Amino acid sequence: SQQGEEDPQALSIQEGENATMNCSYKTSINNLQWYRQNSGRGLVHLILIRSNEREKHSGRLRVTLDTSKKSSSLLITASRAADTASYFCATARNSGNTPLVFGKGTRLSVIA
Amino acid sequence: DTAVSQTPKYLVTQMGNDKSIKCEQNLGHDTMYWYKQDSKKFLKIMFSYNNKELIINETVPNRFSPKSPDKAHLNLHINSLELGDSAVYFCASSHQTSTETQYFGPGTRLLVL
Repeated sequence: SQQGEEDPQALSIQEGENATMNCSYKTSINNLQWYRQNSGRGLVHLILIRSNEREKHSGRLRVTLDTSKKSSSLLITASRAADTASYFCATARNSGNTPLVFGKGTRLSVIA
Repeated sequence: DTAVSQTPKYLVTQMGNDKSIKCEQNLGHDTMYWYKQDSKKFLKIMFSYNNKELIINETVPNRFSPKSPDKAHLNLHINSLELGDSAVYFCASSHQTSTETQYFGPGTRLLVL
């Protein structure tokens, strides 16, 4: 069954605003990853947060993980038009031979 | 230099045909994957190979057969194509296990008429 569920499904903001996307999952995980997909392109890895971590930063990205609530959030600060893309969370379980399970994604539109 | 490359980028074909998609990675990774992304953007794992050995085989029709001639290549052959096979197929790789960061190819857009 699908592991990650992103929320909202779509988000439209003005350039300069912050964008927050949430991801919920169902079972225990080894790590949770966020990926970006520009229209017509492949997925690009953004950030990986391990199950024993609570927060991680990378440039304008901030990811939090709450394993007690089985949820994660991705915050993009000071958004730019180039941030327009779909964002997916993916969960990795503890066994190395189980697949990453992707959510359905959040479509972010940043309007200049 | 493209890290994970796929050919062809677009594939339009008739129902019943057989087609192949090729994937190559130059990252020195041990593990490669095939994913299918449907029209609603849902991305689902199909297969995973580690060092030429099949390690993940999700519920995929027998018409789909992956082949890994070496650890840098993972090809996907599809027999008797059906309308429902229309999707974007992504190849990906990771260093060793599926829990690690994955690097995706640009995708192959398959349209079955």
